[in-house]
Amino acid sequence: AQTVTQSQPEMSVQEAETVTLSCTYDTSESNYYLFWYKQPPSRQMILVIRQEAYKQQNATENRFSVNFQKAAKSFSLKISDSQLGDTAMYFCAFMSPTGANSKLTFGKGITLSVRP
Amino acid sequence: DSGVTQTPKHLITATGQRVTLRCSPRSGDLSVYWYQQSLDQGLQFLIQYYNGEERAKGNILERFSAQQFPDLHSELNLSSLELGDSALYFCASSKNRGYNEQFFGPGTRLTVL
Repeated sequence: AQTVTQSQPEMSVQEAETVTLSCTYDTSESNYYLFWYKQPPSRQMILVIRQEAYKQQNATENRFSVNFQKAAKSFSLKISDSQLGDTAMYFCAFMSPTGANSKLTFGKGITLSVRP
Repeated sequence: DSGVTQTPKHLITATGQRVTLRCSPRSGDLSVYWYQQSLDQGLQFLIQYYNGEERAKGNILERFSAQQFPDLHSELNLSSLELGDSALYFCASSKNRGYNEQFFGPGTRLTVL
């Protein structure tokens, strides 16, 4: 079974600065996908960024980028130029699309606070 | 707005009762997933349906059941409710079974008193 670990329960960052959120995972699969989801106070789950395991290049989406280290099974999220609207809970998630089940396995999440 | 709708937004009920949560997937999406978010268990997968058929089960209690109807909407039935069932229940949908982005609904907040 796959597991996703987010060991930092909370982080805080000053507006306009950069912050990195950590995530590790464990799997025996070779083909899989990794995601970061954002959950603001509204509770809506919003996809921030995704990474295909077969791609060596790290994914980027505007101010969000990942550092994907496949051998180390590490998948961290870097948020540049932090904004107040980035305050939210962030979840790292894993999906293996093989077989019939393409469920998401989530980490416990990290609460990020952006200070003005 | 993800295009996935869930009703009701909030539900307050008593222990021992039965409730039904409803989900309408995005237009064209055939897969529906149910997830439970609680303080104790975090976000966990409950069950997946694809085009009306059950495809996968996660940590879903026997008191819980689900189905997907011919129009592709899905219902999650929770019975003999306990205090510990209080949680946020999300529905997500995707185009098909393999890798496709899952779009989440706004969730149903269930409170069991």
